[in-house]
Amino acid sequence: DADVTQTPRNRITKTGKRIMLECSQTKGHDRMYWYRQDPGLGLRLIYYSFDVKDINKGEISDGYSVSRQAQAKFSLSLESAIPNQTALYFCATSDRQVSGANVLTFGAGSRLTVL
Amino acid sequence: DQQVKQNSPSLSVQEGRISILNCDYTNSMFDYFLWYKKYPAEGPTFLISISSIKDKNEDGRFTVFLNKSAKHLSLHIVPSQPGDSAVYFCAATKTSYDKVIFGPGTSLSVIP
Repeated sequence: DADVTQTPRNRITKTGKRIMLECSQTKGHDRMYWYRQDPGLGLRLIYYSFDVKDINKGEISDGYSVSRQAQAKFSLSLESAIPNQTALYFCATSDRQVSGANVLTFGAGSRLTVL
Repeated sequence: DQQVKQNSPSLSVQEGRISILNCDYTNSMFDYFLWYKKYPAEGPTFLISISSIKDKNEDGRFTVFLNKSAKHLSLHIVPSQPGDSAVYFCAATKTSYDKVIFGPGTSLSVIP
């Protein structure tokens, strides 16, 4: 099984629908992140969480919400999906470190299409 | 405004030659820089990192060079192999704990 598992892997939905993308990890990491990837823009941070009681907005949080249900689970919700939220979404985790780079472990991605 | 820039969307290199991927950043407070590789239908995977107190870090065929005064770093792959064909993301952080900011990526094609 993958260290970071995202479900669903692919989803097509309609404008105005509520969508939830789920992420679970078996790495035991404290930190979890949601990114979206768009062509030419790279990976942009939506939300991140450094522990179960800590939720922080990233660069592009408008239109999204998150829930950290447990150390291993971090879900991303689109309350009312719109077409420009069509993108590839990645969940990532990292461990708390005393020093060194913050190395992320990514899931395989969830491709969302909003019609 | 993008804090991490990769101005070449794509790069094509012959197998066995050197691949050089470039990255520029604007925030002088960044103190760690990372490179990730991404294959289609997979998530990005960590490749190599460098601290701002160093100017070079090497791991096998991969070497990252950092020029702080120019706010520029580069990833060298020598020799390039067809399996290196992927999208490479440059990334940066302010501290070892902070969120990671990514560039737009460079798609590398290594031609056999």
